Amino acid sequence: SAVISQKPSRDICQRGTSLTIQCQVDSQVTMMFWYRQQPGQSLTLIATANQGSEATYESGFVIDKFPISRPNLTFSTLTVSNLSPEDSSIYLCSVEGGQGAFHGLDTQYFGPGTRLTVL
Amino acid sequence: GENVEQHPSTLSVQEGDSAVIKCTYSDSASNYFPWYKQELGKRPQLIIDIRSNVGEKKDQRIAVTLNKTAKHFSLHITETQPEDSAVYFCAAAGGGNKLTFGTGTQLKVEL
Repeated sequence: SAVISQKPSRDICQRGTSLTIQCQVDSQVTMMFWYRQQPGQSLTLIATANQGSEATYESGFVIDKFPISRPNLTFSTLTVSNLSPEDSSIYLCSVEGGQGAFHGLDTQYFGPGTRLTVL
Repeated sequence: GENVEQHPSTLSVQEGDSAVIKCTYSDSASNYFPWYKQELGKRPQLIIDIRSNVGEKKDQRIAVTLNKTAKHFSLHITETQPEDSAVYFCAAAGGGNKLTFGTGTQLKVEL
């Protein structure tokens, strides 16, 4: 499967500031996604990062709060804007990329995550 | 949209016993059902997945079954080992490959 990295791995931010998270993949992938995992909770899809066009956001998530860039097929950024303590979560990117016959090409693999704490 | 329910939320088994985690989904158009294992502080790792044209799939000690009529699927782990202790998430996806996750099951394998 693809090797996925995220930067930063963790950060502590002040209320009202913004944090930009980078997701880098070692091979070209068609689909990239951004998820949020609140402490002790499940994963919730924020948006699909589309290459060359605006991201597709899920219900409850808006572009002003979570702007996303996808300049090419190996890289995406998620910005969490105007931070509040409620934004404290782990943010994960995922990519689609099968690893042969056992899993399909649409199998999703996750990056290591970015742990955000907002004070 | 899709809604995925997962049970139980916690599961404790003795080493060597079997563990079963069950999920139900709401959208009959969903056709892809992966299972992820997440150890503390780590990323979710895909352990097995199944598609709607298959009723069962096995990979060594892990198996997944799917009942499309009833809209439920289950994860079966046999001969559990301490390293199986983790949180397990089921998920469902339909068109657009967007994953909707269940709420997770904390599995504890006791010696």
